[in-house]
Amino acid sequence: QQQVKQSPQSLIVQKGGISIINCAYENTAFDYFPWYQQFPGKGPALLIAIRPDVSEKKEGRFTISFNKSAKQFSLHIMDSQPGDSATYFCAASRAAAGNKLTFGGGTRVLVKP
Amino acid sequence: DSGVTQTPKHLITATGQRVTLRCSPRSGDLSVYWYQQSLDQGLQFLIQYYNGEERAKGNILERFSAQQFPDLHSELNLSSLELGDSALYFCASSVGVGQPQHFGDGTRLSIL
Repeated sequence: QQQVKQSPQSLIVQKGGISIINCAYENTAFDYFPWYQQFPGKGPALLIAIRPDVSEKKEGRFTISFNKSAKQFSLHIMDSQPGDSATYFCAASRAAAGNKLTFGGGTRVLVKP
Repeated sequence: DSGVTQTPKHLITATGQRVTLRCSPRSGDLSVYWYQQSLDQGLQFLIQYYNGEERAKGNILERFSAQQFPDLHSELNLSSLELGDSALYFCASSVGVGQPQHFGDGTRLSIL
């Protein structure tokens, strides 16, 4: 059972454009929603995270929007750069379950110069 | 650099064999998590340890086991290996439960 669904699977955006990745979850007990960035040959690196008591969080060019009632959250990458080309994963966890991360399927982002 | 060290980076072995993957968490982190990344299953949680004790278990096969030692490093043991066990195995660590997890660069396991 896939508890976190991520879309799209891949995305091509022009340099300077906005990349938008969406995730939907099923388990309303989730209380922590991080986004990870992964480059080939590397492990996932934490980008930004949000908890359900906040509807939006911004760190630099990265913004998470969170809709608790719709059980959806999204990552917006503003002013996308070629260096942002990577695979992005959303995830969800709950502290009562040891904070084990349930990951979405990933989105491969390509930023064209 | 996340500060999480995994060894070896690559491991090639045959079916039926047993291997041990090692993880050194970031300095000060008490919690260690193991994840498997494969093309068909994506990133999946295997098991978590906190200060030497098992805290949570995911879809970990009975052929797999792990432990966390007093110095907080952790080992993942995979036995009776099958072709389908070929994957990237990641270790992550955090200061405690509910804190951000930081991943190592993984061990790529190839079963021939």
